[in-house]
Amino acid sequence: KQEVTQIPAALSVPEGENLVLNCSFTDSAIYNLQWFRQDPGKGLTSLLLIQSSQREQTSGRLNASLDKSSGRSTLYIAASQPGDSATYLCASSSVHKLSFGAGTTVTVRA
Amino acid sequence: ETGVTQSPTHLIKTRGQQVTLRCSSQSGHNTVSWYQQALGQGPQFIFQYYREEENGRGNFPPRFSGLQFPNYSSELNVNALELDDSALYLCASSLGDSSYEQYFGPGTRLTVT
Repeated sequence: KQEVTQIPAALSVPEGENLVLNCSFTDSAIYNLQWFRQDPGKGLTSLLLIQSSQREQTSGRLNASLDKSSGRSTLYIAASQPGDSATYLCASSSVHKLSFGAGTTVTVRA
Repeated sequence: ETGVTQSPTHLIKTRGQQVTLRCSSQSGHNTVSWYQQALGQGPQFIFQYYREEENGRGNFPPRFSGLQFPNYSSELNVNALELDDSALYLCASSLGDSSYEQYFGPGTRLTVT
């Protein structure tokens, strides 16, 4: 059974600081690793998807890395802004489903 | 391109009742998956439908059932509601199984009293 862990559970930083969010998973037999953003009480917005054959993926200020052999992925958000405040979830994919971590709740202070 | 939509947005039911939640998949997507997200936790996989057939199921009891229609929209039915069923229910659509990127709807907040 895939176990996905996200550390830390919560993070508070001043505006402009870079964010580093960690995700670990126990089973390396994954199709891909997907990062999502969730605002309070809302659905999930896909941020980045890294295929199992890739090492990293970038979109604007976001960069995600994947190390399948060690079961780790990291999401970097450069030059954080108050609008980045949200919960960030990672999910590993297997045949029929995504397995999610509990998320990291980020607060960016103006 | 229309995204994934879900209805209703919020729902309050009494323990023991039955509920039906609806999901319209993104245009061109033939696969729908349902997830349950309790407060403060990550979403948990309920089941997946591909071309109207159940294609995988998580650790949920049989009182959680679903349907997918020829237009690839989907329903989640929950019978004999329990207090622990209170959660945000999310559906996701994709072009195939979970190896494809999943696109999520806004969710339905179910409260069971």
